[in-house]
Amino acid sequence: QKEVEQDPGPLSVPEGAIVSLNCTYSNSAFQYFMWYRQYSRKGPELLMYTYSSGNKEDGRFTAQVDKSSKYISLFIRDSQPSDSATYLCAMDSARQLTFGSGTQLTVLP
Amino acid sequence: ETGVTQSPTHLIKTRGQQVTLRCSSQSGHNTVSWYQQALGQGPQFIFQYYREEENGRGNFPPRFSGLQFPNYSSELNVNALELDDSALYLCASSLEGLTEAFFGQGTRLTVV
Repeated sequence: QKEVEQDPGPLSVPEGAIVSLNCTYSNSAFQYFMWYRQYSRKGPELLMYTYSSGNKEDGRFTAQVDKSSKYISLFIRDSQPSDSATYLCAMDSARQLTFGSGTQLTVLP
Repeated sequence: ETGVTQSPTHLIKTRGQQVTLRCSSQSGHNTVSWYQQALGQGPQFIFQYYREEENGRGNFPPRFSGLQFPNYSSELNVNALELDDSALYLCASSLEGLTEAFFGQGTRLTVV
């Protein structure tokens, strides 16, 4: 079993839809939770960074962490074609990041 | 403020050869980590350097080695290349003690 599980998709939604991306994890030592966006042939770009259970909002993006269920989510409101990318969840323990396999998202105009 | 830069962007090597990849960290960042990303997968942690010393290592064999220089830039060396080493190699910089890591655009290595 992988430490971090992420549905690979692909996920295709119409412009303006609310997108929900999810990851589950098994390692209780993970303390920090991140979401990265990766465009094709580019490096990952940090979107959101959270520590505690609960919600954190930044513009159209909301990150949610439930440590009791070992479950994290990223919500994208009013999705745009420019949001089309691969979204990676990542978790930190002992200075190294453990990534999910990524969810490929396409937002159709 | 400059971001993380990596060179070269693309590289083709033959099995058994050696390769060196380079990374310049973001201004003010003293910690550099290297990741390997196979096609369709998330990045996997190779190792981290802080104050010119290895500060953590993932599940990679010793033929993967690295250096960090006094200006915090870093190199990743891979000896005896294998076909499975073909991947996108990512460098990330951060400040020691902080989790937020910022990635470069990566070096795409193809081993033939």
